[in-house]
Amino acid sequence: GDSVTQMEGPVTLSEEAFLTINCTYTATGYPSLFWYVQYPGEGLQLLLKATKADDKGSNKGFEATYRKETTSFHLEKGSVQVSDSAVYFCALSECGGSQGNLIFGKGTKLSVKP
Amino acid sequence: ETGVTQTPRHLVMGMTNKKSLKCEQHLGHNAMYWYKQSAKKPLELMFVYSLEERVENNSVPSRFSPECPNSSHLFLHLHTLQPEDSALYLCASSQDQGLAGLYEKLFFGSGTQLSVL
Repeated sequence: GDSVTQMEGPVTLSEEAFLTINCTYTATGYPSLFWYVQYPGEGLQLLLKATKADDKGSNKGFEATYRKETTSFHLEKGSVQVSDSAVYFCALSECGGSQGNLIFGKGTKLSVKP
Repeated sequence: ETGVTQTPRHLVMGMTNKKSLKCEQHLGHNAMYWYKQSAKKPLELMFVYSLEERVENNSVPSRFSPECPNSSHLFLHLHTLQPEDSALYLCASSQDQGLAGLYEKLFFGSGTQLSVL
């Protein structure tokens, strides 16, 4: 079945460092891809998305490009801030699959130190 | 504030207790969901309600019983749970369930942290 694999954390970076969180997926159809963020004590929030190959999602300085050839959707940010400390989830939603069913990765915890 | 409110925030219960989790949304959404988030595991979809009818049940044990009295409220009734049911239970809503391109716009509540002793 469809699945999402993302790098295990925790990831600890210094402020202004470059961030990459890897995410790869397996899907039989034409999925849409997402990154969700969960700040401490809060629920998940949609960070960015891409709905077809070569689309780039971007928000709050974060970017991810839908790479069909490598089945990847890596999250990047050029300069992280302490306020970016959170758990990041990569997810996909199938085209024609269980409607409303997002398949999530296990999450990657990011800690940014001043 | 996402517009989705869950209560209680924390719950501790014994295996013989009966309790209920509550979710409320004031966004005018037609679909609501229960997700389970366990430590070191992917987020698991438990139930989907669309227009007050249950659409999907991913083989969730019968000790979890959802109830959706109207499109703004969703309950998860808990009965004779096991310690492995301890997790964060997240409620979410979306405008519609099943319309292409809209399924990804989920709004999550902050969750109920459940501990089963």
